[in-house]
Amino acid sequence: DAGVIQSPRHEVTEMGQEVTLRCKPISGHNSLFWYRQTMMRGLELLIYFNNNVPIDDSGMPEDRFSAKMPNASFSTLKIQPSEPRDSAVYFCASSLYRADNEQFFGPGTRLTVL
Amino acid sequence: DQQVKQNSPSLSVQEGRISILNCDYTNSMFDYFLWYKKYPAEGPTFLISISSIKDKNEDGRFTVFLNKSAKHLSLHIVPSQPGDSAVYFCAASDGGSQGNLIFGKGTKLSVKP
Repeated sequence: DAGVIQSPRHEVTEMGQEVTLRCKPISGHNSLFWYRQTMMRGLELLIYFNNNVPIDDSGMPEDRFSAKMPNASFSTLKIQPSEPRDSAVYFCASSLYRADNEQFFGPGTRLTVL
Repeated sequence: DQQVKQNSPSLSVQEGRISILNCDYTNSMFDYFLWYKKYPAEGPTFLISISSIKDKNEDGRFTVFLNKSAKHLSLHIVPSQPGDSAVYFCAASDGGSQGNLIFGKGTKLSVKP
């Protein structure tokens, strides 16, 4: 099992550019989560999907952020336009819904917006 | 307001001694608690969990204790090893929110040789 796959691992872009982060969850998992990690806020949940349907996007900071899950094996997180304060590590996680809700994380994408 | 709080951002322990990481929560509906470990440049990985029907769960050097009345849990690592140096996240689940976990901000553990 390859685990959760994220791409790219690192992204450096200029302010105002569009950024797209990608995630492939573990096969068979029915929930997918996008998190952002910063020193100030720790690990913040941005949005999560269950069976490809967005359940809670209250953590999405602004309209500049959007996420899609067109099928069970792929999700994207898009920032348009990007700003320097979006610089962070973005994690994708997936889980097979069960009582303890254990989630499996990808390696993360380190985003730097100049 | 934070539902899961890790009030110590960092902890330093000597190799071979006990490490105790603490976590407090506010939501009495939480019924599962998980600890994750994170190394730099990697995603968090699951370490150990405990159900609210238990007060202790042990896995090798790692033990999690749950005090429901105090809404407090702790992770004990005995003996601590330099390889345990990482950020530890406490997380909680109410079991019914379609897989959602609420994470604390993490505690950075440094184990010195």
